[in-house]
Amino acid sequence: IAGITQAPTSQILAAGRRMTLRCTQDMRHNAMYWYRQDLGLGLRLIHYSNTAGTTGKGEVPDGYSVSRANTDDFPLTLASAVPSQTSVYFCASKPGGETGELFFGEGSRLTVL
Amino acid sequence: SQQGEEDPQALSIQEGENATMNCSYKTSINNLQWYRQNSGRGLVHLILIRSNEREKHSGRLRVTLDTSKKSSSLLITASRAADTASYFCAVMDSSYKLIFGSGTRLLVRP
Repeated sequence: IAGITQAPTSQILAAGRRMTLRCTQDMRHNAMYWYRQDLGLGLRLIHYSNTAGTTGKGEVPDGYSVSRANTDDFPLTLASAVPSQTSVYFCASKPGGETGELFFGEGSRLTVL
Repeated sequence: SQQGEEDPQALSIQEGENATMNCSYKTSINNLQWYRQNSGRGLVHLILIRSNEREKHSGRLRVTLDTSKKSSSLLITASRAADTASYFCAVMDSSYKLIFGSGTRLLVRP
């Protein structure tokens, strides 16, 4: 089934460790996004990429980095995890064109101790 | 800060009743979208309304947009227990990023 795959689905991580959340889509969408969801705060945009080879900062980019080497993959890296990065992370993609709906993955639940 | 803010934060209704959720935002928008999230799952797109539209329908969903008041509403008619979920509005800003609100948790009692 076409869509967005996120991995891992859940991870417990010690503070200070490096972690990469993986996101792969097979819909050939140009744009991809990373959001974090925290209780009572809804979804906040971390980083985005409008097309392969380009990335941009969202609302809460500090402590995170992304890369977009190709159309399908958009990994999110926490270089040195801190407890405040405990959250559920969602990857999303959007077809070509600047407006339109986002398609979401099922999320990665990250706990930083 | 977030663009879209939903009201109410939580809503509990009886099956068959209508549910209305409101969203306010701060700046000019390209379009406004509503999403649904079942517990523990990813978000699913429901409906998109462009900045030059005032009302849109999709099945039991009705969305309105008032750009002068920077507000939108989502009406779910004849609600069902299966409509229980969280609902989020999201605004697409001038740089084509989609910014979400904090959501409304809807409980439809059988």
